[in-house]
Amino acid sequence: DAGVIQSPRHEVTEMGQEVTLRCKPISGHNSLFWYRQTMMRGLELLIYFNNNVPIDDSGMPEDRFSAKMPNASFSTLKIQPSEPRDSAVYFCASSSDSNEQFFGPGTRLTVL
Amino acid sequence: GEDVEQSLFLSVREGDSSVINCTYTDSSSTYLYWYKQEPGAGLQLLTYIFSNMDMKQDQRLTVLLNKKDKHLSLRIADTQTGDSAIYFCAESIGYKLVFGAGTILRVKS
Repeated sequence: DAGVIQSPRHEVTEMGQEVTLRCKPISGHNSLFWYRQTMMRGLELLIYFNNNVPIDDSGMPEDRFSAKMPNASFSTLKIQPSEPRDSAVYFCASSSDSNEQFFGPGTRLTVL
Repeated sequence: GEDVEQSLFLSVREGDSSVINCTYTDSSSTYLYWYKQEPGAGLQLLTYIFSNMDMKQDQRLTVLLNKKDKHLSLRIADTQTGDSAIYFCAESIGYKLVFGAGTILRVKS
């Protein structure tokens, strides 16, 4: 298995632009998580999907952030409009019912 | 509340043992995890321990759990330069993982 796949690996954009991050979970996993990692706040859970349904989005910072999971093999995290304070590494992770989460390599986002 | 705390930095010599400590707050955590993050990479699950266990050994890794004190430690025997990374402790609360801030392990050759 290729593991969790994220794209792009790096994204540099200007303030105000729309950013879309993509994730392909491990085949057969029914849970998907989006995390954000910054020096100041560490790893924060943004949103959790189970069987493609958003279960907990309490970690989504504000309305500029949205996430979708249209099917079991794909999820997106969108930021519109982006701001410099959104600069971070965004991780996607997936798991089966075993509770063990497998992380993707992350997308390093820089908003200028 | 949910809070996981770790020391920020540890420096050891190659061949020595490393011990990374962690405290957590939620006594209902079912599993406790250790993840490793190398520069520019994602988090890699190293090992985990079920909350009703005191110890788990996996090759060079030993996890000790003191449930009474809510204290978790990771011991790496014969530390190698390739072990240099950030190590995260995490507790499971339902479906959520709550992570500590990470401990930077530096291995000097």
